[in-house]
Amino acid sequence: DADVTQTPRNRITKTGKRIMLECSQTKGHDRMYWYRQDPGLGLRLIYYSFDVKDINKGEISDGYSVSRQAQAKFSLSLESAIPNQTALYFCATSKPGNNEQFFGPGTRLTVL
Amino acid sequence: EDQVTQSPEALRLQEGESSSLNCSYTVSGLRGLFWYRQDPGKGPEFLFTLYSAGEEKEKERLKATLTKKESFLHITAPKPEDSATYLCAAGPSGYALNFGKGTSLLVTP
Repeated sequence: DADVTQTPRNRITKTGKRIMLECSQTKGHDRMYWYRQDPGLGLRLIYYSFDVKDINKGEISDGYSVSRQAQAKFSLSLESAIPNQTALYFCATSKPGNNEQFFGPGTRLTVL
Repeated sequence: EDQVTQSPEALRLQEGESSSLNCSYTVSGLRGLFWYRQDPGKGPEFLFTLYSAGEEKEKERLKATLTKKESFLHITAPKPEDSATYLCAAGPSGYALNFGKGTSLLVTP
């Protein structure tokens, strides 16, 4: 079984729609992250959470929000999706004091 | 500003032709230099962590080295299955990682 899972794996939506991407982990890690990946731009950090009560903005948080429902769950929301949010989205986890991150399989999001 | 730069952007090798990928970084209070492998449409897969200049780590045909300003991923006698994008990342203590844009490696038979 995968240690970090993401749902959905693929999603096509329309401009203006609200969408939520979900991440669950069974690694027991406190820290969780959301990244987006675009061709030529690499991985960019959207939000990160070092524990359930700690949420921090990353490099490109505008247009996104997150919710840390439990140690094992970290959700990313697009309140009103726009086409330039079309990308591959990854969730990752790590242990405190160790930046080694473990990634989920990704969600491919297309906003029409 | 913290920055991680990888070169080349793309590299094509013949099977058995050894080469190196470069990752230069400017990160205050570095706490780890990380290498990942990413196959198309999949999440990055952790390869190595290096913590101090002079450190080396090996895994099969891959060897990662670290100096005070850069890291190298050496690929010895590569095979087609080594084809992937290799990502380098670095970060200061207690913060999230900065990723480079990656080197896309293609190994042809």
